[in-house]
Amino acid sequence: EIVLTQSPGTLSLSPGERATLSCRASQSVSSSKLAWYQQKPGQAPRLLIYGASSRATGIPDRFSGSGSGTDFTLTISRLEPEDFAVYYCQQYVSPPVTFGGGTKVEIK
Amino acid sequence: EVQLVESGGGLVQPGGSLRLSCAASGFTFSTYWIHWVRQPPGEGLVWVSCISSDGRSTSYADSVRGRFTISRDNARNTLYLQMNSLRAEDTAVYYCLVFNSGQPYWGQGTLVTVSS
Repeated sequence: EIVLTQSPGTLSLSPGERATLSCRASQSVSSSKLAWYQQKPGQAPRLLIYGASSRATGIPDRFSGSGSGTDFTLTISRLEPEDFAVYYCQQYVSPPVTFGGGTKVEIK
Repeated sequence: EVQLVESGGGLVQPGGSLRLSCAASGFTFSTYWIHWVRQPPGEGLVWVSCISSDGRSTSYADSVRGRFTISRDNARNTLYLQMNSLRAEDTAVYYCLVFNSGQPYWGQGTLVTVSS
């Protein structure tokens, strides 16, 4: 099973700042099988990035994904008020699909 | 447009059973593996089970193996999760998930609450 470790656990930032979220895998993950999600309380996860760097339909270009092998990054170039939420990475190389523990982006 | 709609959640007593359904549309259901993922209240996302396109291969998380059974009806474009011997720790929102052309698609989830 591929274990995904997200860091930091919590990121305290102000609107307009840049957010950099990390996802590290216990073994190499094909870039085409790495996704990022945003989740707000009471809502289903919202797909932001798939294939490590492809933005999902309707996702603003302030969200970008990068990385390969075991190290992946989600960057939010300038935080908007609606971006404060929990973010998860996910790998889907093969079953079991696994998720990181999440990074909470909170208002400083 | 790919759509997944879960149903069947509710309140059930410990030791009870429940069957979840996931109705799929917008893609060729019979050609894709499909997964169940759950999220306990206030916690992260956890993979539960998956099933091959033809239903012959299945896989389960250790926490549900022997209690949950995943199945599918390709004629009805529907995925199922039969949950038996339910425990308090099975309380969660349950989502179905499919990867279509490399992109994940989720349903909106159905809440299962196990409590007396």
